[in-house]
Amino acid sequence: KNEVEQSPQNLTAQEGEFITINCSYSVGISALHWLQQHPGGGIVSLFMLSSGKKKHGRLIATINIQEKHSSLHITASHPRDSAVYICAVINFGNEKLTFGTGTRLTIIP
Amino acid sequence: KAGVTQTPRYLIKTRGQQVTLSCSPISGHRSVSWYQQTPGQGLQFLFEYFSETQRNKGNFPGRFSGRQFSNSRSEMNVSTLELGDSALYLCASSLDGQGYNQPQHFGDGTRLSIL
Repeated sequence: KNEVEQSPQNLTAQEGEFITINCSYSVGISALHWLQQHPGGGIVSLFMLSSGKKKHGRLIATINIQEKHSSLHITASHPRDSAVYICAVINFGNEKLTFGTGTRLTIIP
Repeated sequence: KAGVTQTPRYLIKTRGQQVTLSCSPISGHRSVSWYQQTPGQGLQFLFEYFSETQRNKGNFPGRFSGRQFSNSRSEMNVSTLELGDSALYLCASSLDGQGYNQPQHFGDGTRLSIL
């Protein structure tokens, strides 16, 4: 079993829909990252959080440390949001970054 | 402020050769981490360098090595290349490192193909 699990693996939605991507992890962590990867490979760090909730524009990230679960929400989704979204955790103790397998999001106009 | 720069962007090698990839971090960033991304395994952590010292490493064979220079630029080397080494190699920089709860700034990656 992977230390970091994401769901769904693939998600297709219509423009304007509210999107939720989930991340569950099985190890103790000091922080969790949400990353966005567009075709071509470039990765952008969206959020880094260790508790609570963060918001940036139409993106919201939440984390529940007790339940070992984080969610990434996109409001009023747009075709330019189409990308792979990757959850990554910093293992508490060895400080290594472990990645989920990613969620491929496609927003249809 | 310039971002993280990786060179080259694309590289084709044959089995048994060796390769060196380069990463220039954002000015002022002292930590450089390297990652391998493949369709089968996803993103995996290779190693992290801080102030010219390897501070952390993932579970890769000794064929994978790296170093960091006094200006924080980093190189990674893969020797005796295997077909399975075909991947996108990404580096990321941050001020103090992965364990300091700081954003990682990624380069665009080097796509390595092994024939």
